[in-house]
Amino acid sequence: AQSVAQPEDQVNVAEGNPLTVKCTYSVSGNPYLFWYVQYPNRGLQFLLKYITGDNLVKGSYGFEAEFNKSQTSFHLKKPSALVSDSALYFCAVRRAPSGNTPLVFGKGTRLSVIA
Amino acid sequence: SAVISQKPSRDICQRGTSLTIQCQVDSQVTMMFWYRQQPGQSLTLIATANQGSEATYESGFVIDKFPISRPNLTFSTLTVSNMSPEDSSIYLCSVRAGSGEEQYFGPGTRLTVT
Repeated sequence: AQSVAQPEDQVNVAEGNPLTVKCTYSVSGNPYLFWYVQYPNRGLQFLLKYITGDNLVKGSYGFEAEFNKSQTSFHLKKPSALVSDSALYFCAVRRAPSGNTPLVFGKGTRLSVIA
Repeated sequence: SAVISQKPSRDICQRGTSLTIQCQVDSQVTMMFWYRQQPGQSLTLIATANQGSEATYESGFVIDKFPISRPNLTFSTLTVSNMSPEDSSIYLCSVRAGSGEEQYFGPGTRLTVT
């Protein structure tokens, strides 16, 4: 079975400071890992993914995430937060090779960037 | 990528009635997924819909309550039957398109049952 843990319900950070949103996963075999963002009254938007290769992946809006196999983590990071980054962030996992298996999501972390 | 539209975007329904949600994709896709997101919560997979075959339901979801149609490679419907207030949620259609492994999501249908 696959599962994702996002240990923080809420993360608060001052504008201009670095931000980290944590994610750990459990999957049999190798994982495909994803981050999505949801703005109020909007659908989910894809941010970035790890499939294979470099453990540090870069995505939209200046976000990046680092895959750490030994710690089974895939934390989302940004060097300098913006107020507009305030949203709900979801980490998701799928077993690799995935075939037609769907994504399994974490419970989400609400990021609040304070001016 | 894929562009997904859903209808209706929101609805308020009475207890005991049914609502059919439509999902349209701008490209042909093999698999479509239906998720439910209760307010402020994570996404829960309801079912996976293959074109031309019966949908596969996750534990806790049954076909009588959430019948799904998948008549072609760009369209699917999810019906929420005999609704109760506990069915109040956002219902999201999702597809995997291209070779990138990521899933794309529709804007959601916000359902309120009174």
